[in-house]
Amino acid sequence: QVHLQESGPGLVKPSQTLSLVCTVSGESVSRGGSYWSWIRQRPGKGLEWIGYVYPSGITNSNPSLESRTTLSLNTSSNQFSLKLRSVTAADTAVYYCARLTSSWTRKFDYWGQGTLVTVSS
Amino acid sequence: QSVLTQPPSASGTPGQTVDISCSGSSSNIGDNSVNWYQQVPGTAPKLLIYSSHQRPSGVPDRFSASKSGTSASLAISGLQSEDEADYYCAAWDDSLNGPVFGGGTKVTVL
Repeated sequence: QVHLQESGPGLVKPSQTLSLVCTVSGESVSRGGSYWSWIRQRPGKGLEWIGYVYPSGITNSNPSLESRTTLSLNTSSNQFSLKLRSVTAADTAVYYCARLTSSWTRKFDYWGQGTLVTVSS
Repeated sequence: QSVLTQPPSASGTPGQTVDISCSGSSSNIGDNSVNWYQQVPGTAPKLLIYSSHQRPSGVPDRFSASKSGTSASLAISGLQSEDEADYYCAAWDDSLNGPVFGGGTKVTVL
């Protein structure tokens, strides 16, 4: 069973950088076959894919956020992380980390519980 | 504006069947499988259907789904009160090289 857990500050000031870490257990983040992903959900809104990092280190981000997003893996800690720069109130959301399988199905089969990040001064 | 289009709401009485549509394009649904997620308010989404019609273990067979061309649909038969949730379709998008979601459909059991 794969388990994911998000961690990071729940409050970030406008113009600063939002930093979140996802700790994975039950599978190695360096093993092929999974895109380690971030998804967010603004209050009362739907799901928005932010980006993923592949075990090789290759990353891809939603074009709407790409210029502000950095994704990375920490294989020694079995974690992956998200940095979102220059945040505004519009970045207030619940942030989820999830595993996206790289097989044909490309499904999010395991999710973290989510962490609420509020952008406010 | 979501890449995949879903109706914002659907409803039915206990025991009825509710259908949810999901419309996309050739770069996503037309060329890839569709997955559906159920999200009970206040919780993380849960995989409900994958590969357009397959159910993960533990998902009741009241949930079924299909895909045709650039559209997909989810059916909930024998509607139960615990089915009240938001339902999202998703598919890989070849142009984006990433996943896209529908805007979600809120299912209400009357």
